[in-house]
Amino acid sequence: DTGVSQDPRHKITKRGQNVTFRCDPISEHNRLYWYRQTLGQGPEFLTYFQNEAQLEKSRLLSDRFSAERPKGSFSTLEIQRTEQGDSAMYLCASSSTGEEEPQHFGDGTRLSIL
Amino acid sequence: AQSVTQLGSHVSVSEGALVLLRCNYSSSVPPYLFWYVQYPNQGLQLLLKYTSAATLVKGINGFEAEFKKSETSFHLTKPSAHMSDAAEYFCAVRGGSNYKLTFGKGTLLTVNP
Repeated sequence: DTGVSQDPRHKITKRGQNVTFRCDPISEHNRLYWYRQTLGQGPEFLTYFQNEAQLEKSRLLSDRFSAERPKGSFSTLEIQRTEQGDSAMYLCASSSTGEEEPQHFGDGTRLSIL
Repeated sequence: AQSVTQLGSHVSVSEGALVLLRCNYSSSVPPYLFWYVQYPNQGLQLLLKYTSAATLVKGINGFEAEFKKSETSFHLTKPSAHMSDAAEYFCAVRGGSNYKLTFGKGTLLTVNP
């Protein structure tokens, strides 16, 4: 049973650059979630997909952020024109259908903005 | 809307002592509740979940939690702490068909030898 896989694990970039993260969910899971975790805080919800449809987006997701899940399998999260405040751990989770199903998390991508 | 309050950002116990991590929630609909553990530079691992069946939930690594509706609480316990339990613990709530998780700020557990 392979878990949720995220790539890269670490990303260091200069302010103003664009970055893209990838998430591969557990294969049979049709739901995929992105969260952001800053130092000393719990994860905060960013967006949610069911299959390829993006069903909910947080107000935290400014117009510089975009997420896709084109074929209902892997997902990408892109941040354009990065800012210092974007430095955080970006976590991906997936779950199967059913209200009681828990979300399973990947190890995250840590983004550092210089 | 849902919210979670974790009382105590840092809890320190001796090895072999009882672990008690507190979580209170607020939810406008019957909640689903979860405890996750996070080790340094890793993602979150599910410890246990409450989904309206038994109010006393048993999880992995000897942890358990009790759902108390009247107190809106879901405290996490373990009878005897082990050094390997040292990590950050997060309580999370989800309400009905709203699939996003709302997390508390976390409690860092330190286990002293």
